[in-house]
Amino acid sequence: DTAVSQTPKYLVTQMGNDKSIKCEQNLGHDTMYWYKQDSKKFLKIMFSYNNKELIINETVPNRFSPKSPDKAHLNLHINSLELGDSAVYFCASSPDYTVVPQYFGPGTRLTVL
Amino acid sequence: AQSVAQPEDQVNVAEGNPLTVKCTYSVSGNPYLFWYVQYPNRGLQFLLKYITGDNLVKGSYGFEAEFNKSQTSFHLKKPSALVSDSALYFCAVRALGGATNKLIFGTGTLLAVQP
Repeated sequence: DTAVSQTPKYLVTQMGNDKSIKCEQNLGHDTMYWYKQDSKKFLKIMFSYNNKELIINETVPNRFSPKSPDKAHLNLHINSLELGDSAVYFCASSPDYTVVPQYFGPGTRLTVL
Repeated sequence: AQSVAQPEDQVNVAEGNPLTVKCTYSVSGNPYLFWYVQYPNRGLQFLLKYITGDNLVKGSYGFEAEFNKSQTSFHLKKPSALVSDSALYFCAVRALGGATNKLIFGTGTLLAVQP
């Protein structure tokens, strides 16, 4: 069984469009995250939710809006996509907010043309 | 500010030889240190962590890491490399202050194991 799953795996879109990436974990964890990996493989946290509540919000443009309908799901919606948004986005989870993430999803490669 | 540095972009090693992937850290106070591995087109996998206690930490897939406080290092090691170990390896430190689950990653080191 996949612990952390993301859809879609690849996303190619035009500048200015709005897109969403979905994430689900079946581990029963309380805390979920979004990380961005740029073209140089640099990884940086974007958001973290604990039991549907936002607890980490890095300096991310407000075009990015995470949504957690329940603690097993954390979706990422991006408005007005820009070229610089092209990256691989990883979802992750941990048992609670005191523990760093140990399980990452397979990633969503977003390409903005 | 807390940070980790991985001085080598790439490490090449022959199969069967020992491998070392270097990591140094800069934190105030006691560090919580981690290693993750990323196989091609996959998400990160947790390998091991150092919180406190024994300086030699054993992890998954035969990897271990040595915490050295005087040198502020946390190098990843394996006695005998496998071709299947070829991947991107990330060192990380838990950020202090604020949320306790925030990780700061190094820039990654590509390990290439030649048969």
